[in-house]
Amino acid sequence: KAGVTQTPRYLIKTRGQQVTLSCSPISGHRSVSWYQQTPGQGLQFLFEYFSETQRNKGNFPGRFSGRQFSNSRSEMNVSTLELGDSALYLCASIPGTGGSGEQFFGPGTRLTVL
Amino acid sequence: DQQVKQNSPSLSVQEGRISILNCDYTNSMFDYFLWYKKYPAEGPTFLISISSIKDKNEDGRFTVFLNKSAKHLSLHIVPSQPGDSAVYFCAASEGGATNKLIFGTGTLLAVQP
Repeated sequence: KAGVTQTPRYLIKTRGQQVTLSCSPISGHRSVSWYQQTPGQGLQFLFEYFSETQRNKGNFPGRFSGRQFSNSRSEMNVSTLELGDSALYLCASIPGTGGSGEQFFGPGTRLTVL
Repeated sequence: DQQVKQNSPSLSVQEGRISILNCDYTNSMFDYFLWYKKYPAEGPTFLISISSIKDKNEDGRFTVFLNKSAKHLSLHIVPSQPGDSAVYFCAASEGGATNKLIFGTGTLLAVQP
């Protein structure tokens, strides 16, 4: 069974640009969550999607957005990039709909903003 | 407001001995807890979980203990192996209709041969 795929793995952008990251969950999983990992703030929840609907959103500015497609693939977008957006962005693939199950993480996308 | 705390940023243990990683939480609505292991530049790997209705869950060398009254959980690794060296995160979920996980800040475990 294929794992969680995130593309691209590495990305370098400059301030003010926008970026789109992609996540393909494990086949059959309908929920996807996104997290940001930085040295200062640790792993922080960005948002969660189930069946193309955003079910929950973390405490991030509106520059961070996402969506989920009918095949469960998800994208997240960050507009008007700031230096502080440099981070490892992780996608989690979740088999169920409730909050009591294992979440399978992808390898992440390392975003560097210059 | 750090709802999940791992107060030890690092821990060093000899190979073959027990590693004990601790985690405290403040939100009494959390009803599911997970431990993840993470290597640099990789995504977290699930280790073990526990529901709030239990006080212990065991899987091979890994055992998680939950003390709800103290809002404290711990991960025991016995025996510790050099390959266990990584950052360990505890995470908590309120369950219900959300999959949102609140992570602790992590503990770097170094197992010395």
